[in-house]
Amino acid sequence: EPEVTQTPSHQVTQMGQEVILRCVPISNHLYFYWYRQILGQKVEFLVSFYNNEISEKSEIFDDQFSVERPDGSNFTLKIRSTKLEDSAMYFCASSGLGQGAKTQYFGPGTRLLVL
Amino acid sequence: GESVGLHLPTLSVQEGDNSIINCAYSNSASDYFIWYKQESGKGPQFIIDIRSNMDKRQGQRVTVLLNKTVKHLSLQIAATQPGDSAVYFCAENIRDGGSQGNLIFGKGTKLSVKP
Repeated sequence: EPEVTQTPSHQVTQMGQEVILRCVPISNHLYFYWYRQILGQKVEFLVSFYNNEISEKSEIFDDQFSVERPDGSNFTLKIRSTKLEDSAMYFCASSGLGQGAKTQYFGPGTRLLVL
Repeated sequence: GESVGLHLPTLSVQEGDNSIINCAYSNSASDYFIWYKQESGKGPQFIIDIRSNMDKRQGQRVTVLLNKTVKHLSLQIAATQPGDSAVYFCAENIRDGGSQGNLIFGKGTKLSVKP
């Protein structure tokens, strides 16, 4: 069964450093998303991406964040200068087109720890 | 100090009993709802979805009920098994048509199944 994959599973970084989180969405999906989940809290939307551009973003997704689809399979989230409060699980999700396309399938997540 | 985010509602059931997990959603314009299951350290796993033009949908051992009048969603799990132990999130989507929109997640309910 196709699934969303994410790398790395864990990332530890120093405050102020740049990190890139990587995702491979389900192959025939066209909508891509990043969400985050601070420990013990609910999942929060960051950004959605379609047709090589951002379609929606939340207040969390400020100028420190960017997304990119560098090739036909990868979807990345970059945090330019990490802050302590960026520590969270980051989930990538994807969805398709047509009937049932609103179902978003999530990857296993990257646990980011900023020290 | 107390961390409000860690205080999830908890439902404890005996193996073999039925479980009912409830969710109140926020936006009367939401037209699509999903239940996700999240096991510790993993990403949200799709369970079942329902569109706003329906009030009930059944899957394998699971049923989702939607009451738009009171903006309430419930997930019923029949013959609950130890493997059902997880945190369950409802999510709503408020965009229709061509745009996928983002998911707004609820707080989550922790289901514990006693053998």
